[in-house]
Amino acid sequence: KAGVTQTPRYLIKTRGQQVTLSCSPISGHRSVSWYQQTPGQGLQFLFEYFSETQRNKGNFPGRFSGRQFSNSRSEMNVSTLELGDSALYLCASSLGLQRGYNEQFFGPGTRLTVL
Amino acid sequence: ELKVEQNPLFLSMQEGKNYTIYCNYSTTSDRLYWYRQDPGKSLESLFVLLSNGAVKQEGRLMASLDTKARLSTLHITAAVHDLSATYFCAVTPSSNTGKLIFGQGTTLQVKP
Repeated sequence: KAGVTQTPRYLIKTRGQQVTLSCSPISGHRSVSWYQQTPGQGLQFLFEYFSETQRNKGNFPGRFSGRQFSNSRSEMNVSTLELGDSALYLCASSLGLQRGYNEQFFGPGTRLTVL
Repeated sequence: ELKVEQNPLFLSMQEGKNYTIYCNYSTTSDRLYWYRQDPGKSLESLFVLLSNGAVKQEGRLMASLDTKARLSTLHITAAVHDLSATYFCAVTPSSNTGKLIFGQGTTLQVKP
């Protein structure tokens, strides 16, 4: 069974630009969550999409947005990039169950560097 | 707001020794996860603990959950160099199934 895939793996952008990251979940998984990992702030939850709807949202500015398609693939977009947006962006997929076992499986991540 | 704290944040130990990583969380949750991360890599799922008193073991690692104390432990038995990595615990708020709140991570360095 194929795992979670993310593209691109590495990205270099300059301040003010925008970027789109893509995540393909494990087949059959309907929930995709996004996380930002930085040395200073650690792993922080960005948002979760389930059945094309944003189900949960973390404490990030509106420059961070996302969407999910009917095949459960998800994209996140960061507009007007700032130096502090440099991070490893991880997506995770799960069945999206409301109760019980709902393990999240993580993709390899996209390393974003903002210059 | 749910907060998760791990200790220690850094652990250097000799091969063959035992040690425990602690994970405390601040509010009610019925799901706790342990992940491993190697440098420059993504997160690998180790354990999912779903109920009070749950204990799971895989090789030299054993995880347990005490929901009343809001505490999980990851015990390392007879450490080997291959266990060197950063270990994270994460908790799901009861009402937000797709949201994981992570601890700061514990970097484990096992010396030969």
